[in-house]
Amino acid sequence: SQKIEQNSEALNIQEGKTATLTCNYTNYSPAYLQWYRQDPGRGPVFLLLIRENEKEKRKERLKVTFDTTLKQSLFHITASQPADSATYLCAPRREGNTPLVFGKGTRLSVIA
Amino acid sequence: DTGVSQDPRHKITKRGQNVTFRCDPISEHNRLYWYRQTLGQGPEFLTYFQNEAQLEKSRLLSDRFSAERPKGSFSTLEIQRTEQGDSAMYLCASSQGSQGAQPQHFGDGTRLSIL
Repeated sequence: SQKIEQNSEALNIQEGKTATLTCNYTNYSPAYLQWYRQDPGRGPVFLLLIRENEKEKRKERLKVTFDTTLKQSLFHITASQPADSATYLCAPRREGNTPLVFGKGTRLSVIA
Repeated sequence: DTGVSQDPRHKITKRGQNVTFRCDPISEHNRLYWYRQTLGQGPEFLTYFQNEAQLEKSRLLSDRFSAERPKGSFSTLEIQRTEQGDSAMYLCASSQGSQGAQPQHFGDGTRLSIL
């Protein structure tokens, strides 16, 4: 069965540094991959989408890479701020508007 | 665009009772999804609709669970004879269209606690 692993449950970094979160998947060939942010007690919020034929996607301080050979996506937050502290979820996905399959998420804490 | 709204936000009930949750999606979205999330886990898919048609149900959705979207707008999720293991956050999401890579827009969920 398909498996999605996010590299660590929790990641602590110093303000101003770059946070790098990893999403690995197995037994799966997604057409694209989405990243969401979730704050405690709230629903996930969509951040970025990257397709299998795209190596990299950027949005402000966020950058996502997608390596279909390694079956891995990396999510970077540059110049991190305490307000970036949240849980980040990855969701590789088949083509079309199908239900999402999420990893467990990585809880990021940015320390001032 | 008022976003996806869910009601109630919190529900506490005794084991064995029935509960019903409501989800109002973004008005022009024709797809509506239900997920369940427990502490430390990502959301898990339960079921989804395109307009009023229920397209898929997860194996997680036991016979005690039923979902409807009668007019293709709001949806309800009912759990009958609740059990301790039903305690979780129930999330609703909506998206537009059946093709392409559309992001899902989530509500803030209904947190269910079974006593």
